[in-house]
Amino acid sequence: AQTVTQSQPEMSVQEAETVTLSCTYDTSESDYYLFWYKQPPSRQMILVIRQEAYKQQNATENRFSVNFQKAAKSFSLKISDSQLGDAAMYFCAYRRGDAGGTSYGKLTFGQGTILTVHP
Amino acid sequence: GAVVSQHPSRVICKSGTSVKIECRSLDFQATTMFWYRQFPKQSLMLMATSNEGSKATYEQGVEKDKFLINHASLTLSTLTVTSAHPEDSSFYICSAGRATYSQPQHFGDGTRLSIL
Repeated sequence: AQTVTQSQPEMSVQEAETVTLSCTYDTSESDYYLFWYKQPPSRQMILVIRQEAYKQQNATENRFSVNFQKAAKSFSLKISDSQLGDAAMYFCAYRRGDAGGTSYGKLTFGQGTILTVHP
Repeated sequence: GAVVSQHPSRVICKSGTSVKIECRSLDFQATTMFWYRQFPKQSLMLMATSNEGSKATYEQGVEKDKFLINHASLTLSTLTVTSAHPEDSSFYICSAGRATYSQPQHFGDGTRLSIL
């Protein structure tokens, strides 16, 4: 079974600075997707960024980028120029790439990291 | 705009009541939807996978008779918490994805269930 581990229950950052959230995962599969979701106090789940395992290039979305180390099974999220609106709980998630079967689309989440942004 | 609609957003009811939560995909067909439960400041725990036209697949430890799932159409899945008790109070959230498996899941806004 796949597992996702976020070892930082809480992190804090000063506004305009950079912070990195850690995530490691365990899988025996070669085809999979990795995601970072943001959950603000409203509790909406917002997709921040995603990475296909077969792509060597790290994904980027504006101020958000990942450091995907496939051999080390590591998938960290870097937030640059942090803003007050970035304060939320962040979840790392894994999804297998196989489209078949009833587990299609099933996400395995890490424990989450609460990010506080100080003005 | 939202592509997955979840209703209601908040429910407060007495112990022993059954509560139905709806999850709709708004502009796409979803053969599979997922139901999660989340306690405060904790992660999302998958409860079950809802399959259109067939029985749901429940995760280990989830009571099938307590949490009834129906996926009667390609755009609607329902979760019914039967004879709810205070320990069932939680945040329930659904997700659905488009048929193209490379696309990410879309989440509903969740339902906060409080059993008195």
